[in-house]
Amino acid sequence: GAGVSQSPSNKVTEKGKDVELRCDPISGHTALYWYRQSLGQGLEFLIYFQGNSAPDKSGLPSDRFSAERTGGSVSTLTIQRTQQEDSAVYLCASSLKTSGGANEQFFGPGTRLTVL
Amino acid sequence: GENVEQHPSTLSVQEGDSAVIKCTYSDSASNYFPWYKQELGKRPQLIIDIRSNVGEKKDQRIAVTLNKTAKHFSLHITETQPEDSAVYFCAASLFTFNKFYFGSGTKLNVKP
Repeated sequence: GAGVSQSPSNKVTEKGKDVELRCDPISGHTALYWYRQSLGQGLEFLIYFQGNSAPDKSGLPSDRFSAERTGGSVSTLTIQRTQQEDSAVYLCASSLKTSGGANEQFFGPGTRLTVL
Repeated sequence: GENVEQHPSTLSVQEGDSAVIKCTYSDSASNYFPWYKQELGKRPQLIIDIRSNVGEKKDQRIAVTLNKTAKHFSLHITETQPEDSAVYFCAASLFTFNKFYFGSGTKLNVKP
């Protein structure tokens, strides 16, 4: 079956521009996550959706970052007025939550964002 | 909230030797502990996981042990091979939520 997909795979933008990153989770997965990974670094949690609601936005670095999820499926992460420090790989993951608790996260291939 | 610490940050072993990576967590309510492997330029992929009702789990050369009392869990790789070279991340997830807390990663280098 289809895995998690993300688009675009690469995005180069100029400082100050807005960007939108898209994530298509695995069909039926209720939980969706956004992470940021700078070169050679770990996974920085940004935001988590359960269905369409985001119970935890604590990882968003600033008010320039926002995310939404519609129809319990596709999610978009928007970065306004991009800065050079926003350059990183943005990873999306999805998982299926069951009564037993959390389950495996499946990661997408990521979007490499470069802010010039 | 939960805090996951991972050690060591880098680990270099000779091919055929064993490698052990350790993680500690802070919240006793965590009940799911996955390990992810990330090869250079690729996405993280699950290699093994364990739930809090189990003390050990094995899958061929890979094993994970969990000590709930001490709140730590470890990844063991035996008979390491060069293709095991990658960054390994541990994570913990709380029972009532589906949020994952990741460790900072361990870069494993297996020398041929």
